[in-house]
Amino acid sequence: AQSVTQPDIHITVSEGASLELRCNYSYGATPYLFWYVQSPGQGLQLLLKYFSGDTLVQGIKGFEAEFKRSQSSFNLRKPSVHWSDAAEYFCAVGAFAGKSTFGDGTTLTVKP
Amino acid sequence: DAGVIQSPRHEVTEMGQEVTLRCKPISGHNSLFWYRQTMMRGLELLIYFNNNVPIDDSGMPEDRFSAKMPNASFSTLKIQPSEPRDSAVYFCASSLDRGQPQHFGDGTRLSIL
Repeated sequence: AQSVTQPDIHITVSEGASLELRCNYSYGATPYLFWYVQSPGQGLQLLLKYFSGDTLVQGIKGFEAEFKRSQSSFNLRKPSVHWSDAAEYFCAVGAFAGKSTFGDGTTLTVKP
Repeated sequence: DAGVIQSPRHEVTEMGQEVTLRCKPISGHNSLFWYRQTMMRGLELLIYFNNNVPIDDSGMPEDRFSAKMPNASFSTLKIQPSEPRDSAVYFCASSLDRGQPQHFGDGTRLSIL
């Protein structure tokens, strides 16, 4: 069965600092991997996705993520965080013919 | 292009009443998902459809919950009778196909008194 672990429930960073959100997955084959962001009162929005190919993927809003098969990880990064990045972030794993499984989310707080 | 449209945005009702949540997926999307989100349990997949057919309803909590997708452009999630513990935000999402990225609606905030 597929599963996703986001080890950090809550992360606080200062505006302008770099960010890394961790995601570890369990899946028997090559997974589809996603990062979503949820702002208060809204649904989840796709930030980026990995299906195959280049292991470093670029997304919207200046985010990127790196797929590391040996570590079963798909960590999300941003070099310089903006106050508007404060939100909840979800990692998800899926497959071509199956549903996605979401992690429990990481809440990001940005200090001025 | 319009995104996933959910209605109502907010619903407050008394326990025992029937509640119907509605969803219009993005045109051309073949898969539709219903989720429930609470502080205690996080984001839970209730049921998903592919080509209007229910594929996996293992997340539906009880027989009080039912979902239908009569055509490619409309789905409902019904709770009958409703209970206070059903209070949550319910999201509908659609995707081109099962494994593809999902597009979420803004959710229905349901409060059962």
